Amino acid sequence: GAGVSQSPSNKVTEKGKDVELRCDPISGHTALYWYRQSLGQGLEFLIYFQGNSAPDKSGLPSDRFSAERTGGSVSTLTIQRTQQEDSAVYLCASSSDSGTDTQYFGPGTRLTVL
Amino acid sequence: AQKVTQAQTEISVVEKEDVTLDCVYETRDTTYYLFWYKQPPSGELVFLIRRNSFDEQNEISGRYSWNFQKSTSSFNFTITASQVVDSAVYFCALSEEGTGTASKLTFGTGTRLQVTL
Repeated sequence: GAGVSQSPSNKVTEKGKDVELRCDPISGHTALYWYRQSLGQGLEFLIYFQGNSAPDKSGLPSDRFSAERTGGSVSTLTIQRTQQEDSAVYLCASSSDSGTDTQYFGPGTRLTVL
Repeated sequence: AQKVTQAQTEISVVEKEDVTLDCVYETRDTTYYLFWYKQPPSGELVFLIRRNSFDEQNEISGRYSWNFQKSTSSFNFTITASQVVDSAVYFCALSEEGTGTASKLTFGTGTRLQVTL
């Protein structure tokens, strides 16, 4: 079956612009996670969705970051007024349940803010 | 707070050598899960193994083996007879029992393994 897919694979933007990153989880997976991988910070958790529950946004670094998940499937991570420090690889993962199941990762979106 | 330490930043070995990647974790929970992921040059994180805190049995899968020791809070990963295709960054990760943020993965900083001919 298909794995987690993310688009675009690469995104170059100018400082101050908004960007949207998309994640398609594995079909049937109810839990969806966003992580960020950067040289300085390593791999860090951003936000978590489980079914129809309110998302856990505790990892978002600022209010410029937001995410939504429509219909319990596709998720979009939006970064407003991008800054150079937002440059990183944004990884999406999904699992069939929360807390106990293995998270499977997509290929990531490499964001470069000029 | 949970924490994962991978003290080895980079390891270089010659093909066919055995290599062990160290992972030490910290958590206050009695129920937790440990993972290893591989990140090859292509960038995608590939799941390798998951263990829960109640299962200390060592695991072997082909050339890969894992040694989980609660007494030392370690979950080490050994590759036997390494191959060039094993070259990658390997991450150890921890999640705690529960929902929401508890289930997020806390990653170590990774160990870059380079296997040469």
